[in-house]
Amino acid sequence: QVQLQESGPGLVKPSQTLSLTCTVSGGSISSGGYYWSWIRQHPGKGLEWIGYIYYSGSTYYNPSLKSRVTISVDTSKNQFSLKLSSVTAADTAVYYCARDGGDFNAFDIWGQGTMVTVSS
Amino acid sequence: EIVLTQSPATLSLSPGERATLSCRASQSVSSYLAWYQQKPGQAPRLLIYDASNRATGIPARFSGSGSGTDFTLTISSLEPEDFAVYYCQQRSNWPSTFGQGTRLEIK
Repeated sequence: QVQLQESGPGLVKPSQTLSLTCTVSGGSISSGGYYWSWIRQHPGKGLEWIGYIYYSGSTYYNPSLKSRVTISVDTSKNQFSLKLSSVTAADTAVYYCARDGGDFNAFDIWGQGTMVTVSS
Repeated sequence: EIVLTQSPATLSLSPGERATLSCRASQSVSSYLAWYQQKPGQAPRLLIYDASNRATGIPARFSGSGSGTDFTLTISSLEPEDFAVYYCQQRSNWPSTFGQGTRLEIK
């Protein structure tokens, strides 16, 4: 059974770069057929899709964040990563990684989420 | 981007009652609409994909319907564990977008 686990610093200073990694277990990113996404949720608010990466390395980012987002994949480690630059307090949120595709046109598997606070 | 509007914002019902949640898209998403359930401190859980297909392990009391711009999630008889926040999401066009959520609370 595929599982996702986010990891990374829980506190980031304003203007710095937020970096998170999602480790995939129980399946291979390289098997194809899935888009690997990052999604965030501001405290007490709804869900915002950040972007995805395919195992080949192709990406698509939410235009609202595109100038600050980079998503990369390391198939040898079965991980994909998020970098969000020039963060402000508005980037404080729970960040989820999720799998999309295969039999579902939806996010069928999610990580547990990791809270990231932007504060000096 | 496609905007999804969910109604009502809050729905107050009792266990055993029927719940009807609505999601309206700003343009057609065909049948590429999903529903998720989220409980406090947990990640969202996929309930329905492609508008009407139940995800693996989802009880039959959950059903989805609709196509184009108007969609409905129905819970036929509420169980205590069903009280949560529900989100719709479209995967017709990137960027994928979510509705703002409907909070289903115990009356």
